[in-house]
Parts: sequence; C-alpha cells; structure tokens
Amino acid sequence: GENVEQHPSTLSVQEGDSAVIKCTYSDSASNYFPWYKQELGKGPQLIIDIRSNVGEKKDQRIAVTLNKTAKHFSLHITETQPEDSAVYFCAASAKASYDKVIFGPGTSLSVIP
Amino acid sequence: GAVVSQHPSWVICKSGTSVKIECRSLDFQATTMFWYRQFPKQSLMLMATSNEGSKATYEQGVEKDKFLINHASLTLSTLTVTSAHPEDSSFYICSARNRPGTGFSDTQYFGPGTRLTVL
Repeated sequence: GENVEQHPSTLSVQEGDSAVIKCTYSDSASNYFPWYKQELGKGPQLIIDIRSNVGEKKDQRIAVTLNKTAKHFSLHITETQPEDSAVYFCAASAKASYDKVIFGPGTSLSVIP
Repeated sequence: GAVVSQHPSWVICKSGTSVKIECRSLDFQATTMFWYRQFPKQSLMLMATSNEGSKATYEQGVEKDKFLINHASLTLSTLTVTSAHPEDSSFYICSARNRPGTGFSDTQYFGPGTRLTVL
C-alpha cells in the first residue's frame, strides 16, 4: 500500500520568513496530493491540492510542487504569519485505491512573532 | 460550500457502553465517506471507507464488529463504537467526498472531529 513520509517533523520560522515541508510517496499510482492544516482540537482543513498532471500550483502565499518521477512533493509558505502555526499534513491518493487518502506523519509549524 | 459536520463534538462514556458518532455532509451529496482515528500528536489513520448503500471496507487491523459503520443516505454516515474501552479513547474524524461527476470528486472534506473519552 501507499506510504507517505514527511519532513521535518517540527519547524520553527520567524514571522515573514518562508517555510518548506517536503513529502515523499511510494505508490506510483497515486495521482492526487492534498495538503491539510490542522489546528489543535479541530479537523484537518484542505489548504491546497495538486493533481498528477500539474507540476506546480500556487494560491496566494501557498504553493505546492510535484515531481512524479522522484515521487516527492513540497509545500511552500511565504511571508509566514503567526496564524500559520499549526500541524500540516501531506497526503496521497490514488483512484486505484478507491481514493483512500493516506496521510503523512505531519509537521508542526511554529511561526515566531 | 463543502461543509461536513460531526455530532457530538465530544463524548465521555463508561467502559462497556456503546457510542454513536454522526457525520453529515451539509451542502453536497457524498457517495463515499471515510472514518479516521487520531491519537494525540499522531497522524490520521484511516479506519474504514463507507459507500452509501453498501457495507463499509475496513482497513487491516480494524475490528469491524467493534466499529460499526452505517452509510444509509448520501448525507449521513454513522460510526458506532461498541463495548468501548479506555484504549478506544481517541479523536475520531470523518471525511466526505463529492458524488462523482460533480466537480473534483477526489477532494475530501473533513469534519471537525469527535473527541471520545472512555472511563
């Protein structure tokens, strides 16, 4: 089955700096890669996603890149703000797996004012 | 749009009792719903996939007789934890996926979660 790894597990940045989280996946059939932000005590919130026919996608301060050959994808947050502090999860999904979303272990991001 | 609700948001029960958690898609029809469990400071672990009108598919290691899932309509799925024990205490989260053909049907929208504490 699919296995998603994520690094780093914790990340601290100064407000205004950029944050980068990297993930790798194992199943070459995976074709959908969402990123979720989870605040304490709440459910995950979809912040951006990318499909396998696209190499990069951007939404304001958030961007995601995908390298299907290397089976890795990354989340980039620019001009970080204290409210960006949360746990971020990358995930992978494949039609062949009935669209099960397999989560990475998560990255705890702290933005220091 | 694409709002998923869960009820209750938290529940405390005695060991040996059963607890039912509801997951509803409020503004879209969800042919498929997923149930996850999350222990403190850990990732979400998929428990089962629920398709409307059919039996749920459980992940390896998840006891189907203990975690009963019913997906009776396109907007409601329920998870019943039977004979709950303290080790079942966890954060249970559901997600719902749009009906195929209605936009990006592979996008999953998550509920706010239910905190279960078994005494």
